[in-house]
Amino acid sequence: EVQLVESGGGLVQPGGSLRLSCAASGFSLRSFWIHWVRQAPGKGPVWVSRVNSDGSTTTYADSVKGRFTISRDNAKNTLYLQLNSLRAEDTAVYYCTRAGLHAFDVWGQGTMVTVAS
Amino acid sequence: DIQMTQSPSTLSASVGDRVTITCRASQSIDSWLAWYQQKPGKAPKLLIYKASSLESGVPSRFSGSGSGTEFTLTISSLQPDDFATYYCQQYDIYSSFGQGTKLEIK
Repeated sequence: EVQLVESGGGLVQPGGSLRLSCAASGFSLRSFWIHWVRQAPGKGPVWVSRVNSDGSTTTYADSVKGRFTISRDNAKNTLYLQLNSLRAEDTAVYYCTRAGLHAFDVWGQGTMVTVAS
Repeated sequence: DIQMTQSPSTLSASVGDRVTITCRASQSIDSWLAWYQQKPGKAPKLLIYKASSLESGVPSRFSGSGSGTEFTLTISSLQPDDFATYYCQQYDIYSSFGQGTKLEIK
């Protein structure tokens, strides 16, 4: 079964850090661009970041640029999102999603990040 | 940044109704438009890609149309499982989503 599974979310204080992981199964991560999308409670999805298939090209939304870092380990079939200098407005469910030929065709179940003191 | 605007924000309908949701892009995105369905506590599910192509396994009562800046999602005959929130997404330049349309039971 083609699947993405996120982990690493949790409660963190403002200014803190977290590292999210996204493990792929049923397909080779190295063949795809992967994106992170977040969704605050009761709001619509918001694109956060993307990385190309070999990790050489990364892009970020302005709201997270300089604070978040996307990376991948194709040997482990895993993607990462390092979240630094977290703010209350970063509170959201974070999804990793595969950019196939057909838009974002595979999504993980999401991992919740809560930034609060 | 490309802004995506959906209308209406909420839609009340009955089983068997035909419904249409509209999405407008702030600049031309050709046909790089997708539609997703989301239910509470779940990830978005891809329904339509490239504006009008039906994702595998999605019922044929869902259809999409449009190009450039104006797009529509139509559900030809609502089924009980279709009551959910729908989002459009452009994937021409990075990605951005509409604010959503909540489809409610009348």
